[in-house]
Amino acid sequence: DGGITQSPKYLFRKEGQNVTLSCEQNLNHDAMYWYRQDPGQGLRLIYYSQIVNDFQKGDIAEGYSVSREKKESFPLTVTSAQKNPTAFYLCASSMKTGWSYNEQFFGPGTRLTVL
Amino acid sequence: EDQVTQSPEALRLQEGESSSLNCSYTVSGLRGLFWYRQDPGKGPEFLFTLYSAGEEKEKERLKATLTKKESFLHITAPKPEDSATYLCAVQAQGGTGANSKLTFGKGITLSVRP
Repeated sequence: DGGITQSPKYLFRKEGQNVTLSCEQNLNHDAMYWYRQDPGQGLRLIYYSQIVNDFQKGDIAEGYSVSREKKESFPLTVTSAQKNPTAFYLCASSMKTGWSYNEQFFGPGTRLTVL
Repeated sequence: EDQVTQSPEALRLQEGESSSLNCSYTVSGLRGLFWYRQDPGKGPEFLFTLYSAGEEKEKERLKATLTKKESFLHITAPKPEDSATYLCAVQAQGGTGANSKLTFGKGITLSVRP
């Protein structure tokens, strides 16, 4: 079965701790994305990567870091510098076709709660 | 800056009562407009992509349409299982390189009562 997996499903973090959220895809998609979703806010882009070993900041990158060492993996680290990290985090991927990118497919999400 | 506005924020329908969800957008050259469905606590599920004004796509009770300023998601004779949040997103045409980013609206929460 092709798809996007995220782990863990639920994550609890103490203030001052860094945590890493996992995202893996076996769709052979070129691009991968991280979004944050808060109630009433819609999806906001944190980071995205269109190619291995390269990534760009999205609209709300402060307090987050990513890496893209393999095509199928795009982990997100929420650092202690992120002031309000409690949210639902979604990973997505999309295929590049010619000079454009197709629709994004999403994983099931990770709900992060800061205690 | 690309912007997407969805209305209404929430919509309650009786089963069988058809209606439409609106997505208004401003973008510097539209490459594609996307509709997603999201159930509580889950990731969004892709529904449709529309590329040009006048285009329409259908899937079961859903039909998406596109003009130069907005898109509509028409729901015909909805059932309780159509209850979800519906998200709209736009993708701008790339400048010096291919653009993969989407700009999302805040979503419309649809409730269908039996």
